[in-house]
Amino acid sequence: ETGVTQTPRHLVMGMTNKKSLKCEQHLGHNAMYWYKQSAKKPLELMFVYNFKEQTENNSVPSRFSPECPNSSHLFLHLHTLQPEDSALYLCASSHPGQGGEQYFGPGTRLTVT
Amino acid sequence: GENVEQHPSTLSVQEGDSAVIKCTYSDSASNYFPWYKQELGKGPQLIIDIRSNVGEKKDQRIAVTLNKTAKHFSLHITETQPEDSAVYFCAATLNSGNTPLVFGKGTRLSVIA
Repeated sequence: ETGVTQTPRHLVMGMTNKKSLKCEQHLGHNAMYWYKQSAKKPLELMFVYNFKEQTENNSVPSRFSPECPNSSHLFLHLHTLQPEDSALYLCASSHPGQGGEQYFGPGTRLTVT
Repeated sequence: GENVEQHPSTLSVQEGDSAVIKCTYSDSASNYFPWYKQELGKGPQLIIDIRSNVGEKKDQRIAVTLNKTAKHFSLHITETQPEDSAVYFCAATLNSGNTPLVFGKGTRLSVIA
């Protein structure tokens, strides 16, 4: 295991639902990331948090709302999603300032019906 | 910004043969190049990385080479085994501050027993 956990592992939600994805890291890192992984596309960076502050929002629609209450936890709040938002959502963490050496969680497989 | 191209998209090799995956990058300022392995149902796992001050790095059966002039880097897996079957991603970034990783589209490697 990488030290990054994500819950739930699978989620099916309707377009009118509100749900949240959770990520927790036990590595002592201070940077956390959300990525979207769709079939036949590169990993898409969504958000970056450093020391609980959002430092990057990669033009993500407002129906995705991140929250980072502390350096160990990261949430992705979902509301009024579209079917094309169905994907694997991956959380990662790293030491800030090192850029690389990101450690990924197992992901949440999201299906929007 | 950085752009990373990865080839091939799929690769099949016989067990015991070598596998090579190649990536090119566009930003000459990039100086950190990790490789990730993603098995079914799991998140990407860092398997090896190289920084721009070296040309080659080895770790048992895997090696990475970097040609800064040509802006390309490659992953080499020798004596392949069925458990090497996975999707492999290359990435590139400027390892300064919090510049995010830019990933290639991935290579699905199948090792045939």
